[in-house]
Amino acid sequence: SQQGEEDPQALSIQEGENATMNCSYKTSINNLQWYRQNSGRGLVHLILIRSNEREKHSGRLRVTLDTSKKSSSLLITASRAADTASYFCAPNQGGKLIFGQGTELSVKP
Amino acid sequence: EADIYQTPRYLVIGTGKKITLECSQTMGHDKMYWYQQDPGMELHLIHYSYGVNSTEKGDLSSESTVSRIRTEHFPLTLESARPSHTSQYLCASSEFRDQETQYFGPGTRLLVL
Repeated sequence: SQQGEEDPQALSIQEGENATMNCSYKTSINNLQWYRQNSGRGLVHLILIRSNEREKHSGRLRVTLDTSKKSSSLLITASRAADTASYFCAPNQGGKLIFGQGTELSVKP
Repeated sequence: EADIYQTPRYLVIGTGKKITLECSQTMGHDKMYWYQQDPGMELHLIHYSYGVNSTEKGDLSSESTVSRIRTEHFPLTLESARPSHTSQYLCASSEFRDQETQYFGPGTRLLVL
């Protein structure tokens, strides 16, 4: 499989805590993207990190990329109940995005 | 909010019926995609298009077909629906210059009885 594989599969935290999700992939990439999906809806693009970048920030999101380990992480700081959703990493392999099963994040108020 | 639309949002239909899922985008994107997603599972690419009159099969084999006669429109058709086609179908589009960032529609939930 060439999927981006997220870990953990599910994560439950309290509001205000940080949430960290990890992703591994298997082949070389152009970039890696993270998406969010609310229950039963389409995906929303969160952040993109290029293969020559190691870290990127966007608001409360911090993404890292380690191409030598073929892994990435998404950190959501000071989580809110509204962050409850599924989060997918999508390695861009030759112009195609490869989605894994996602991490289901539940943030309890 | 992305300008990409899917209709219907929900469809319950009997076995053997022909169905067409509509997808339209107003962003002028050349690339469009169809994904299939079962609950709690990964997205599987079933079709994609790089422009008008261009269609390709994705990584997951599908009995559906697609057409791309206009840039903004990428409908998916099932000639004879079966219960195994029950799933959520997501349409997306992207612009090459945007590093392949994809913009998704809200999805169509299909239930075949």
